[in-house]
Formats: sequence, structure tokens, C-alpha cells
Amino acid sequence: GAGVSQSPSNKVTEKGKDVELRCDPISGHTALYWYRQSLGQGLEFLIYFQGNSAPDKSGLPSDRFSAERTGGSVSTLTIQRTQQEDSAVYLCASSLEDSFLAGGPPYNEQFFGPGTRLTVL
Amino acid sequence: QKEVEQDPGPLSVPEGAIVSLNCTYSNSAFQYFMWYRQYSRKGPELLMYTYSSGNKEDGRFTAQVDKSSKYISLFIRDSQPSDSATYLCAMSNYGQNFVFGPGTRLSVLP
Repeated sequence: GAGVSQSPSNKVTEKGKDVELRCDPISGHTALYWYRQSLGQGLEFLIYFQGNSAPDKSGLPSDRFSAERTGGSVSTLTIQRTQQEDSAVYLCASSLEDSFLAGGPPYNEQFFGPGTRLTVL
Repeated sequence: QKEVEQDPGPLSVPEGAIVSLNCTYSNSAFQYFMWYRQYSRKGPELLMYTYSSGNKEDGRFTAQVDKSSKYISLFIRDSQPSDSATYLCAMSNYGQNFVFGPGTRLSVLP
């Protein structure tokens, strides 16, 4: 079946421009996560959506970053006035439900997309 | 001190070797411990997870958790060139606190 898809796969932009990154989660998955992966830094949590609840934005590094999830499905991560330090791979993941909040084991694993490689010149 | 530390490598081993990958952490509230494998230009995929302390085996892979030492390990037996990837540890408590290590890049040479 179809996995998590992200577009574009690569994005090169100039400093100061806005960019939009798209994530299509697996159909039926209610939880959606955005992460940023920089070389040697591991995955940095950015934002989390669960169903119709208010998103957890605690990982967003600045107010230049925002994300939306329309109709509980597709999500868009927007970075305004991009800076060179924003260069990284942006990964999206989805899961069937948030078993962590329910206190259960993480058998409802997060499925990751291939990422969008963002380069800010 | 970072919340989760992991030797970044790179680690190169000959085919058939036993590989040991390790992470240390500082937050004693972590209850769930996971290992992800990430091939180049791909997203991470869940390899194994364990809950609390103990061992878990799946084929050539064994995950160990020692909560008293705040130390987790992934062992790969009879390593294959197809195991060449970056391995990320991750951990979580009951809430929204999913923390990843920086990853160890592994190369298994034929």
C-alpha cells in the first residue's frame, strides 16, 4: 500500500524566501508529526497533530515556522523568511493513533516519509 | 549534556561481524526504547522497540535496555552489507516526548 509521501523531494531557495513543504500521510492515520534532521543532530521534533485536537507546536524553533493539517489528512509546513540554518531534511511521519497519550506500547509505530531536503543559499 | 547521546561513528565492520550500537540518556522517565534504521535518502523505519528494562530478540537483532544505567544497546549478529545504514535510538515516556539520538552510521564491508 501507499506509504507517507512528501513533496518536493528537494528544494533549493534563497535566503529570505518562504517555502512550503507538503506531507501526505497514510490514509486513516490520525497522528502526524514533523521532524527536522540536520547532519549529526538526530531528529528534532517540530510539531504534532492528533485528530481534531489543537496541535502540539512546542518544537517549532521560531515564529517563522508554522504548519497546518487540512481535513485531518494532508499537512503543510511553512517556513517564512528562510535562513541558512534552516537547511536540513524535513521528515513527516504518521501513525494510526497516538498510543503514547493512551499510555499504551508504541506498537502503532510512526511511519516516515522520505523527507524533503531543503537548502537555503 | 544532550538528553540522548549516541556515538555518531562511522562504524565499519567486515561482513559476519557482531555489531554493538549504544545510546545513553539522562531522563529517567523514559519507558519506551526504540531503534530505527535509516537508509540513505530514506526516512527512518522502526526496527525494534522494548518497554522498560530487559532484552528483546528478533532474528539477528537484539535490543537491550538497562534503565539503572540509562543505557540501551542494539546488537546485530552475522552482519550483512544490507545492514549498512544509520541507526537511530529513540525513547519516550507516556506523554508527547519522543526524543531521538543523532544516529550511528554503520558500514558492513563485503
